[in-house]
Amino acid sequence: AQSVTQLDSQVPVFEEAPVELRCNYSSSVSVYLFWYVQYPNQGLQLLLKYLSGSTLVKGINGFEAEFNKSQTSFHLRKPSVHISDTAEYFCAVSGPLRGGNKLTFGTGTQLKVEL
Amino acid sequence: DGGITQSPKYLFRKEGQNVTLSCEQNLNHDAMYWYRQDPGQGLRLIYYSQIVNDFQKGDIAEGYSVSREKKESFPLTVTSAQKNPTAFYLCASSIERLAGHTGELFFGEGSRLTVL
Repeated sequence: AQSVTQLDSQVPVFEEAPVELRCNYSSSVSVYLFWYVQYPNQGLQLLLKYLSGSTLVKGINGFEAEFNKSQTSFHLRKPSVHISDTAEYFCAVSGPLRGGNKLTFGTGTQLKVEL
Repeated sequence: DGGITQSPKYLFRKEGQNVTLSCEQNLNHDAMYWYRQDPGQGLRLIYYSQIVNDFQKGDIAEGYSVSREKKESFPLTVTSAQKNPTAFYLCASSIERLAGHTGELFFGEGSRLTVL
C-alpha cells in the first residue's frame, strides 16, 4: 500500500517570497504523483502531475514540482507567491487498488500568503 | 459548461436521520467517487464506481450507502449508522476507469453536512 506524508500542516509566507511545500511518499511499486489545490469551501483542482519522463513538472499558476525517486519526495515550489495562492494544497499518490489504481491523499498543507 | 454538481452545499440534520447527498456530472466520465474530508485528515475514500450498476467500498464505507443507476449520477446516503457524520463530502469523477487510472480527478464543490 502507498502513503503520503506532508510534513507541514501550515506554511505562512509573505507575498512575492518563494515557497516550498514538502511531500514524501512511500510505495512498493511505481507510482504517479499529484498536487491538488483547494480554495475555501470548494472542491479540489489539479495543479500538476508526474506520470513519467522529466522529473521537473510544471503546473498551473506558476507552480512546479520535482520528483526525486531516491528521496521519495515530490516537493511543490513557486518562486514568488501571490495573495491569491492562499489555499490548502494536497499531495497525492496513485497506486494499486483492486481492479486498478487508487488515489491516496496527504493531510494537506495550508498556505497562507500575507502582505 | 461541463462539470460536477453537488447539492445541497450545506445541510443540517438531526442525529439518527438518514441524509442523501446528490452528485451529478455531465463530463461523460465512467468513474465516480465519494470522499470525506475532515480537518487535518485529508481526503478519505468512501465509495467508488467504475461503471453503471457497479460500486465498491473504499476505506471508510461503514455507515454509508451509494447507488449508480445512471452514468451521470452517484448519490451518497449517510445513514444513522455513521457514528460521526459531520464532515465535508466531496464527489469526484475521472475519465478513466480504475484500470490504468492515472489519478486525475475532477471534483465538485462539496457538501458540508452538520449533524446536530
